Amino acid sequence: GAGVSQSPRYKVAKRGQDVALRCDPISGHVSLFWYQQALGQGPEFLTYFQNEAQLDKSGLPSDRFFAERPEGSVSTLKIQRTQQEDSAVYLCASSLELAGGREQFFGPGTRLTVL
Amino acid sequence: TQLLEQSPQFLSIQEGENLTVYCNSSSVFSSLQWYRQEPGEGPVLLVTVVTGGEVKKLKRLTFQFGDARKDSSLHITAAQPGDTGLYLCAGVRSSNTGKLIFGQGTTLQVKP
Repeated sequence: GAGVSQSPRYKVAKRGQDVALRCDPISGHVSLFWYQQALGQGPEFLTYFQNEAQLDKSGLPSDRFFAERPEGSVSTLKIQRTQQEDSAVYLCASSLELAGGREQFFGPGTRLTVL
Repeated sequence: TQLLEQSPQFLSIQEGENLTVYCNSSSVFSSLQWYRQEPGEGPVLLVTVVTGGEVKKLKRLTFQFGDARKDSSLHITAAQPGDTGLYLCAGVRSSNTGKLIFGQGTTLQVKP
């Protein structure tokens, strides 16, 4: 079956622009996670959902970052008034269950470059 | 402060050599996972270790979880060019959450 897909794969934004990054998880997966990965570093947790409920958003860097999953499937990560420090790869992952230790399936990521 | 310290960060070796990557923390994890990531792709799970002292083998890869569940290691025997990639350890603090805490990653290059 299809894996996790993300779109767009690449996004170039001018500083101050708003961007929206989409994640299509594996069908039936309850949990959805967003991570931010700087060049040459490990991913850092941003937020996660169980169905449509956002259970933890402690990793969001600022109030310019907003994530939603209104119907418990597709999720969108929105960044308002982008800054250069927002440049990174944004990874989405989904998991069959929320329980810790369950395998998370990652999408290919969206590479965001803010000029 | 990085919760999971991974070392070394870069490793360049010849085909056939052995290597070990370490993942250390002062915190206890309920489980720890190892991922491999190729350029332009997301991380792919290699293994999950749950029990302190647990050892798992995946072909030429051997994974160990420390007795106190604070550290882990990945050992590759007779490395091959196909092993080249970014290796990431990731821990879960609580079984009630799937939130992963990643190490900085180890970039491995195996030369033919």
